[in-house]
Amino acid sequence: DVKVTQSSRYLVKRTGEKVFLECVQDMDHENMFWYRQDPGLGLRLIYFSYDVKMKEKGDIPEGYSVSREKKERFSLILESASTNQTSMYLCASSYMTSGAKNIQYFGAGTRLSVL
Amino acid sequence: QKEVEQNSGPLSVPEGAIASLNCTYSDRGSQSFFWYRQYSGKSPELIMFIYSNGDKEDGRFTAQLNKASQYVSLLIRDSQPSDSATYLCAVTGQGAQKLVFGQGTRLTINP
Repeated sequence: DVKVTQSSRYLVKRTGEKVFLECVQDMDHENMFWYRQDPGLGLRLIYFSYDVKMKEKGDIPEGYSVSREKKERFSLILESASTNQTSMYLCASSYMTSGAKNIQYFGAGTRLSVL
Repeated sequence: QKEVEQNSGPLSVPEGAIASLNCTYSDRGSQSFFWYRQYSGKSPELIMFIYSNGDKEDGRFTAQLNKASQYVSLLIRDSQPSDSATYLCAVTGQGAQKLVFGQGTRLTINP
């Protein structure tokens, strides 16, 4: 079974803090993704990585950065947390396939509250 | 126009009936289509994927794809209360590695 593990289920931080969200996958997947999910807005892609040290901006990268130093680990960083970053954050991973068969597997999610 | 559109619901179906969930997409180049189920407070889990026009069946679930009409649907036969969840439609976006998600349809199965 594919396992995508997010380090925290719930996190409470203060405005201005630097926040790290960690994600680890055990399937040797090339691709890793960070999404946020908000009511009425659905899943929105923040950043995507297709290889170690490679990253690509998603639809809403402002206020976030990422790090991928090892293939299995993808970190999302909130440089200076703000209240509008209160959300559910979901990590996902998938294989880099030659065709279009791109099944993404999700972690359990981190519910972040910024006060 | 949103890239992937779903009726947000809620869709209410009696237990034992067929639940029909629909999704339209705007990118004619999309090649892969996925249905994820998400229980409240949980993360999405894959239940079906389909690549070719027509129907694909897996147990009580049937995915239907019509690329000409840019339409994909999910049928759930013999609906159970445990099927109550939000169902997310996802299609491959620019570059096959990314997915574009619809906002999801909330389904409630009434005993």
